[in-house]
Amino acid sequence: ETVMTQSPATLSVSPGERATLSCRASQSVSSNLAWYQLKPGQAPRLLIYGASTRATGIPARFSGSGSGTEFTLTISSLQSEDFAVYYCQHYNNLSTYTFGQGTKLEIK
Amino acid sequence: EVQLVESGGGLVKPGGSLRLSCTASGFTFSNVWMHWVRQAPGKGLEWVGRIKRKTEGETKDYAAPVKGRFTLSRDDSKNTLFLQMNSLSTDDTAVYYCTTSISLDAFEIWGQGTMVTVSS
Repeated sequence: ETVMTQSPATLSVSPGERATLSCRASQSVSSNLAWYQLKPGQAPRLLIYGASTRATGIPARFSGSGSGTEFTLTISSLQSEDFAVYYCQHYNNLSTYTFGQGTKLEIK
Repeated sequence: EVQLVESGGGLVKPGGSLRLSCTASGFTFSNVWMHWVRQAPGKGLEWVGRIKRKTEGETKDYAAPVKGRFTLSRDDSKNTLFLQMNSLSTDDTAVYYCTTSISLDAFEIWGQGTMVTVSS
């Protein structure tokens, strides 16, 4: 089973600054990697799929990169509504849908 | 509007059973694979299981912690997904989300979740 490891566990950033979140796979997952945003009391929201493609309606300040085992989610200029928990996920439609443990993005 | 609405959560004693429902609207339910994902208090997201389309035999797969205790099913005539949960333990306490992929492989549509609490 592929293990997804996110770092850091908590990231403190000031509004307007850049945030960089990392996700590492224990073995290659090609580009089968998604990022989700989760806020308390809300449904998870798909941000990025295919490692680097923004989902419909996602602002351009969100970008994803990487392939194989190393992935990054970058938020270029943090807005107040971006402070949340972010999860990466490996999916391969072969009954593998593994999430990372999450990165909490908090206001500095 | 594309929407998923879960129901059926509540308080249940250890060893008990509960059935969750997820009703879909705004898309062709019979054409998609459906999943359950859960989040325990203070924990991350955990995939629970998936059911494929009827044309694919409604093949089901489950995460190891729930295999043999949870059962997925679907009623395409009612656009509804079910999760039958048996032999519940306190470790199953979580918000349960149904989710699906319409045009992508990632989970693009999510419900708001339903809370399941297993406690004596």
